[in-house]
Amino acid sequence: LAKTTQPISMDSYEGQEVNITCSHNNIATNDYITWYQQFPSQGPRFIIQGYKTKVTNEVASLFIPADRKSSTLSLPRVSLSDTAVYYCLVGETLNSGNTPLVFGKGTRLSVIA
Amino acid sequence: EPEVTQTPSHQVTQMGQEVILRCVPISNHLYFYWYRQILGQKVEFLVSFYNNEISEKSEIFDDQFSVERPDGSNFTLKIRSTKLEDSAMYFCASSGPTRSNYGYTFGSGTRLTVV
Repeated sequence: LAKTTQPISMDSYEGQEVNITCSHNNIATNDYITWYQQFPSQGPRFIIQGYKTKVTNEVASLFIPADRKSSTLSLPRVSLSDTAVYYCLVGETLNSGNTPLVFGKGTRLSVIA
Repeated sequence: EPEVTQTPSHQVTQMGQEVILRCVPISNHLYFYWYRQILGQKVEFLVSFYNNEISEKSEIFDDQFSVERPDGSNFTLKIRSTKLEDSAMYFCASSGPTRSNYGYTFGSGTRLTVV
């Protein structure tokens, strides 16, 4: 599994766009990049997944450069309820095996009013 | 939206006692997992389960732990003789057989406190 590095914590004011960057220098050809969100005392929740370029859904956007050695999760106009820990994971998707997700320490995002 | 359901939400047990944590995965999912999170620490993988057998397990998942899918809907984690250091949030998760745009679905967890 590719090792990931992301900031330990970030602060943001409400209404701002937040970008969390994850480094994964040894990403493999078959690896996808997946982000999860975890609120206190809850299980992680899938946010977004991508392989290259840009992916957007109703929650976030994921930007992946051509070399795929990093990725950026973008949260538009955050609110207090976006305060959570955000995890970047890199690995093969499920149709190529049963590789369990391995979580790092994640980025603790604190949104301030 | 389909959910993974875990019971109980809280469990307090005395050291040395056996506990069973229960999970109802999403009905059409085929892969099942248990993770734990000690307070203030990261989410740790315990075990994965597919086709009625363990697929992978971590070093944490020693002989004190066992998993079972006793029927078509439940997935259980048993800790035979609990220790103080087993106190944690235990999360069950499930995933489908094909590449999914939604990854794993986690339950809300069971908070286990060993006293």
